[in-house]
Amino acid sequence: GQQLNQSPQSMFIQEGEDVSMNCTSSSIFNTWLWYKQEPGEGPVLLIALYKAGELTSNGRLTAQFGITRKDSFLNISASIPSDVGIYFCAGTPGGGSEKLVFGKGTKLTVNP
Amino acid sequence: KAGVTQTPRYLIKTRGQQVTLSCSPISGHRSVSWYQQTPGQGLQFLFEYFSETQRNKGNFPGRFSGRQFSNSRSEMNVSTLELGDSALYLCASSLRGGAAEQYFGPGTRLTVT
Repeated sequence: GQQLNQSPQSMFIQEGEDVSMNCTSSSIFNTWLWYKQEPGEGPVLLIALYKAGELTSNGRLTAQFGITRKDSFLNISASIPSDVGIYFCAGTPGGGSEKLVFGKGTKLTVNP
Repeated sequence: KAGVTQTPRYLIKTRGQQVTLSCSPISGHRSVSWYQQTPGQGLQFLFEYFSETQRNKGNFPGRFSGRQFSNSRSEMNVSTLELGDSALYLCASSLRGGAAEQYFGPGTRLTVT
């Protein structure tokens, strides 16, 4: 359906490590967005992807729109303590729907 | 540019009451979407308004309603509050609406007792 399965649910890493998280769906998505949310705040847009195969970077963050249009991943290189937060994938399903569907989030903890 | 603002930031209400939340989008943005965020269900889409018209609607009961004014500011109303309505309510604005990039406000934390 139009659900997004985001994994892992949580990650505990050491500062300096690279991080990878992904989002999958059983149906096609036309857009993939990655957001980060910190406690007490709304989600902040990190990267937006609009074409299958698209690879986009934003500083230490890199995200890709899967070639099948059913998945996306986000990588964070050389993590730092301020990377802590919950990362959400979101997308708009195919079939003309423009409602944004969100994954359940990946909670990232970075140990200094 | 100023970001998306939401008022109030925190609210405590009693079951059966109604509540109105307000959202001011980024200047120039004509679309405002509302989301409910809970630990169990995550972020769920409520509805989207574009140029004062509701353009998309999620699967929430009719107790949840909204409107948008000519200056693009939006309000969301929840009537006959239930305990399960306790959540963080987020609004997001975008230039074109729909699949376009959305920018979120800090949210209104609603607690229903």
